[in-house]
Amino acid sequence: DIQMTQSPSSLSASVGDRVTITCRASQNIPNYLNWYQQKPGRAPKLLIYGASSLQSGVPSRFSGSGSETDFTLTISSLQPEDFATYYCQQSYSSPYTFGQGTKLDI
Amino acid sequence: EVQLVESGGGLVQPGGSLRLSCAASGFTFSSYSMNWVRQAPGKGLEWVSYISSSSSTIYYADSVKGRFTISRDNAKNSLYLQMNSLRDEDTAVYYCARNGLGSDYWGQGTLVTVSS
Repeated sequence: DIQMTQSPSSLSASVGDRVTITCRASQNIPNYLNWYQQKPGRAPKLLIYGASSLQSGVPSRFSGSGSETDFTLTISSLQPEDFATYYCQQSYSSPYTFGQGTKLDI
Repeated sequence: EVQLVESGGGLVQPGGSLRLSCAASGFTFSSYSMNWVRQAPGKGLEWVSYISSSSSTIYYADSVKGRFTISRDNAKNSLYLQMNSLRDEDTAVYYCARNGLGSDYWGQGTLVTVSS
């Protein structure tokens, strides 16, 4: 199975900050990497698919990069509504594992 | 508007069974593969199962293999998860999610509580 490791597990930041979350796969997953945002009591929301493609309707301050085993999610200028938990997920091979999550708070 | 609505959750004793349903609308259900994903209280997301658009390909997480069965009825625009031999650790909110490019639409989730 492919293990997905996110870092950091938690992160404190302020409005306007630039934030980067990393995700490492235990083996090569080309660009089969998705990023989700989840707020308490809500379903996850797709932000980025294919490692770097922005899902429709997602603000352009969100961006993704990387390939093979190392990936990043960047929020260029944090907004109040961005404080949430972020997950990466590989969609290369079953089981389609998630990272453990990164909680972003003030 | 794409909508996914889960139902069927509830309280069940260890060893019991439950069948979850996910009603899809607003898109051509038969054209999309689907996933079940769960989240235990206060924990992260765990992928549970995948089914292709025609049901020809099915995958399970090791944690549920042999106990859970995913299925779909394209004529009824519905996805199912039959859960047998339930354990305490199956307690979670269960989400159905559409597979577009990534899991692009999710239901609101249904809570399954396994407890005596």
